Amino acid sequence: DVVLTQTPPTLSATIGQSVSISCRSSQSLLHSNGNTYLNWLLQRPGQPPQLLIYLVSRLESGVPNRFSGSGSGTDFTLKISGVEAEDLGVYYCVQSTHAPFTFGSGTKLEIK
Amino acid sequence: QVQLKESGPVLVQASETLSLTCTVSGFSLTNYGVIWVRQPPGKGLEWMGIIWRNGNTDYNSALKSRLSINRDTSKSQVFLKMNSLQTDDTAIYYCTRITIAAMGDYWGQGVMVTVSS
Repeated sequence: DVVLTQTPPTLSATIGQSVSISCRSSQSLLHSNGNTYLNWLLQRPGQPPQLLIYLVSRLESGVPNRFSGSGSGTDFTLKISGVEAEDLGVYYCVQSTHAPFTFGSGTKLEIK
Repeated sequence: QVQLKESGPVLVQASETLSLTCTVSGFSLTNYGVIWVRQPPGKGLEWMGIIWRNGNTDYNSALKSRLSINRDTSKSQVFLKMNSLQTDDTAIYYCTRITIAAMGDYWGQGVMVTVSS
């Protein structure tokens, strides 16, 4: 099974600060059809997760454009350009290229 | 609009079988897959399994021997059954949708299941 290693486990940021989260895969997430199925989710406290980014860098409808995704193969990054208070929560990467799908261990974003 | 809703018992005895239902609306199960995800209290998300739009299934390797997922497309329902429950199966259980591009564009609110010894 694919292992996703997410770093850092926790992140503390001030409002307006830019932050990045890394997600590294134990094998390439490039599918035979040419797509890379790497998704980013945010789980706010007490809420189900919500989709932020899919196919590495595509922004889900309604998600602010301060969120961006990049990467290829085995290395991926989620960037928040100008953290806002509502961004606090736990961020997860999840791959849907190779079944069984797998989640990263999560990165908790705290607001200073 | 698209909705998913989990239902089932909130308390299950150890060694028994858990049966959960995910009832969907706003889309057809023949066009989209549905995934089950769980989250033990205070811990991260665990991918459990998927029923694809063609009815095929895939499972988490660690749960495969205890887990089955099937569906009734006429009722827009997906079913999870997991046997031989233990206390560490205590978790919030979510169902979520997968599209051809994205995993998790819509989620249910989740159902908290406690396994009692």
